[in-house]
Amino acid sequence: NAGVMQNPRHLVRRRGQEARLRCSPMKGHSHVYWYRQLPEEGLKFMVYLQKENIIDESGMPKERFSAEFPKEGPSILRIQQVVRGDSAAYFCASSLGQGASYEQYFGPGTRLTVT
Amino acid sequence: GDSVTQMEGPVTLSEEAFLTINCTYTATGYPSLFWYVQYPGEGLQLLLKATKADDKGSNKGFEATYRKETTSFHLEKGSVQVSDSAVYFCALRVQQGGSEKLVFGKGTKLTVNP
Repeated sequence: NAGVMQNPRHLVRRRGQEARLRCSPMKGHSHVYWYRQLPEEGLKFMVYLQKENIIDESGMPKERFSAEFPKEGPSILRIQQVVRGDSAAYFCASSLGQGASYEQYFGPGTRLTVT
Repeated sequence: GDSVTQMEGPVTLSEEAFLTINCTYTATGYPSLFWYVQYPGEGLQLLLKATKADDKGSNKGFEATYRKETTSFHLEKGSVQVSDSAVYFCALRVQQGGSEKLVFGKGTKLTVNP
């Protein structure tokens, strides 16, 4: 059973370009979470999605950032008009459900560099 | 709000030394607590967890006990190996309003020398 897949693993964008980060959850998982890790920092929650629904986007910047998890295909985190401060590692996690019985499994991350 | 405070690093130890990484938390209620490990260039792996007070999580020689009275979840290992060199994150699970997320500490970098 493949783990959480993220691509690309590394992404370089110039300021003002768009970045699209993809996350394929583990098979059978319908809950997806995105976290951002700034250099020398812990992970910060960004958004929680279930199939076709955004459950909680309280950690997402209000502008330029959006996320989706369509019925078919991977979850996408989209950053428009990137700035240098967006340089970070973005991790996706997936789970079977909510609650103490369910664990979040993390992908390897996408390291975004904005030049 | 909910938060995790973790011992600042970096921590450098010799092989076979005893390891403690302190973690305390602030939360409403009694959240589940976790330790994750991140090896260079990789994502996070769950190391151990505890879901209620006095639970002890353990894995690969690492242990942590959920202490409600001190709101702590310190990570310990009796004898570290070079292969334990990594960044360790303490985290708690927040559940509210139909949502769920993990709140992480800043991480502690451990280097074990032969």
